[in-house]
Amino acid sequence: KAGVTQTPRYLIKTRGQQVTLSCSPISGHRSVSWYQQTPGQGLQFLFEYFSETQRNKGNFPGRFSGRQFSNSRSEMNVSTLELGDSALYLCASSLEGAVGYNEQFFGPGTRLTVL
Amino acid sequence: TQLLEQSPQFLSIQEGENLTVYCNSSSVFSSLQWYRQEPGEGPVLLVTVVTGGEVKKLKRLTFQFGDARKDSSLHITAAQPGDTGLYLCAEGGGFKTIFGAGTRLFVKA
Repeated sequence: KAGVTQTPRYLIKTRGQQVTLSCSPISGHRSVSWYQQTPGQGLQFLFEYFSETQRNKGNFPGRFSGRQFSNSRSEMNVSTLELGDSALYLCASSLEGAVGYNEQFFGPGTRLTVL
Repeated sequence: TQLLEQSPQFLSIQEGENLTVYCNSSSVFSSLQWYRQEPGEGPVLLVTVVTGGEVKKLKRLTFQFGDARKDSSLHITAAQPGDTGLYLCAEGGGFKTIFGAGTRLFVKA
């Protein structure tokens, strides 16, 4: 079974630009979550999608948005990039994302550098 | 908001030594996961613990969940260079997962 895939793996952008990152979950997984990882803040939850609906959102500004397609693939978009958006963006998928516990499987991440 | 504190932040040991890392919460965990992350990769799930007092073993790794479900520990016996990485604990209820800052472990050959 293929794991979670993320594209691109590396990205360099300049301030003010926007970026779209893509995530393909494990086949059969319907929940996709996005995280931002930085050395200073660690792993922080961005948002979670299930069946094309955003179910939960972390404390990030509106410049960060996402969506999920009918095949469970997900994209996240960051507009008006700032230097502080430089980070590793991780996508994780799980079967249902059910309350109780949520066994997630992570992709390798997209390393975004904002110059 | 639940906060997860992990200690120590950094650990550098020789191959063959034993070590324990800790994860503490400001409130009761609904469930707790331990992950290991290697450079340039996403975290990989090691174990999920749900019941207070639960102990799980994964080869040389022993995971313990506190009776009150507010703390957990990960013990590694006879550490090897392949154990090097960032160890993260996470609380995973309510459609989102909260991660601790992690313990960065370096095992020297």
